[in-house]
Amino acid sequence: EIVLTQSPGTLSLSPGERATLSCRASQSVSSSYLAWYQQKPGQAPRLLIYGASSRATGIPDRFSGSGSGTDFTLTISRLEPEDFAVYYCQQYGSSPGLTFGGGTKVEIK
Amino acid sequence: QVQLVQSGAEVKKPGASVKVSCKASGYTFTSYDINWVRQATGQGLEWMGWMNPNSGNTGYAQKFQGRVTMTRNTSISTAYMELSSLRSEDTAVYYCARGTVVVHNWGQGTLVTVSS
Repeated sequence: EIVLTQSPGTLSLSPGERATLSCRASQSVSSSYLAWYQQKPGQAPRLLIYGASSRATGIPDRFSGSGSGTDFTLTISRLEPEDFAVYYCQQYGSSPGLTFGGGTKVEIK
Repeated sequence: QVQLVQSGAEVKKPGASVKVSCKASGYTFTSYDINWVRQATGQGLEWMGWMNPNSGNTGYAQKFQGRVTMTRNTSISTAYMELSSLRSEDTAVYYCARGTVVVHNWGQGTLVTVSS
């Protein structure tokens, strides 16, 4: 079973700064099967990025995804107030199915 | 637009079972897998399993094998997740989620509280 490790656990930044979030897999993951989600308190997660680098519908272009193999990155180029949230990476494998990373909280410094 | 509307909050005693529903609209129900994901307070997302609404085929995370059952009623575009032998550690928000490789849409979540 593939394990996804996200780092850092918490990222303290100011609006306007750049955020770089890491997701490392315990074994190689197909880029087609790597996604990122944003979750705000009291809300369900929202899809941001799929296929490692494709933005979901309606997602601003300040969000970008990159990476391959075992190392993937979510970058928020300039943090807006509404971007402070928890971010999860996720991979799909035929067995067992979906796997989520532990999450990175982006908080206001 | 695609919507997944889940049933309301539940309070159950240890050892009981809970059945959560997820009514889909805005798309062809049988064309996309439904996953169930749970989240304990302050914790991360935990995948429980998937179901193909067309065939009824299911796949469960090993952790939940023997305790979880996912079913559907295609006539009313509704998926169900039943979890048995509840314990306090099962207290969480349970989400239904549409998609196979990636989740495009999520339900609003159902809080299940297990308490004596």
